[in-house]
Amino acid sequence: GEDVEQSLFLSVREGDSSVINCTYTDSSSTYLYWYKQEPGAGLQLLTYIFSNMDMKQDQRLTVLLNKKDKHLSLRIADTQTGDSAIYFCAESKGGSYIPTFGRGTSLIVHP
Amino acid sequence: DTGVSQDPRHKITKRGQNVTFRCDPISEHNRLYWYRQTLGQGPEFLTYFQNEAQLEKSRLLSDRFSAERPKGSFSTLEIQRTEQGDSAMYLCASSFGGTSSTDTQYFGPGTRLTVL
Repeated sequence: GEDVEQSLFLSVREGDSSVINCTYTDSSSTYLYWYKQEPGAGLQLLTYIFSNMDMKQDQRLTVLLNKKDKHLSLRIADTQTGDSAIYFCAESKGGSYIPTFGRGTSLIVHP
Repeated sequence: DTGVSQDPRHKITKRGQNVTFRCDPISEHNRLYWYRQTLGQGPEFLTYFQNEAQLEKSRLLSDRFSAERPKGSFSTLEIQRTEQGDSAMYLCASSFGGTSSTDTQYFGPGTRLTVL
């Protein structure tokens, strides 16, 4: 199976919260990342979490990490149409600068 | 704009032709990365440079692929004898490097290659 797995699509109504989930297989993963990719653009790092943390909050974004279950989630509060994009989960191991990406979750925000 | 730039943005070529892409990183960044992204997939690592030294190459980087960063600034990625399976978005990223454990990569907009 894939090293990093995500559901492919998520549709939410504007103003609601979005939760994008990710699972990974490698227990030695040290850093876990969320990237955003808008159409025709490169990837933008949204946030990351170190594996000894279980939560990180940054404005409308909340990252939760369950290391035991190797599960990572990204919650976007008050989702806006401008949040419509593909969101990639990624992991890297200590000493490596190279993240392994999931296939991405396409977030569609409708009015 | 002082972000990562890539040229060209789109390239259409015939099978068997050679193509070369260019990446200009953020000026003070000493690490530069190349990724390939196909439709419906996340980026896959190809290779990375620290200054002019190519430090790591993925097994995805067949002998038809070569990358250079001759002066530690811009980089080129060349694909020889292109195949239809090479059709993808080629992404470049750069980072500051140094001793930070988390080395934030800034991505360019990519070069979309179509091999007919």
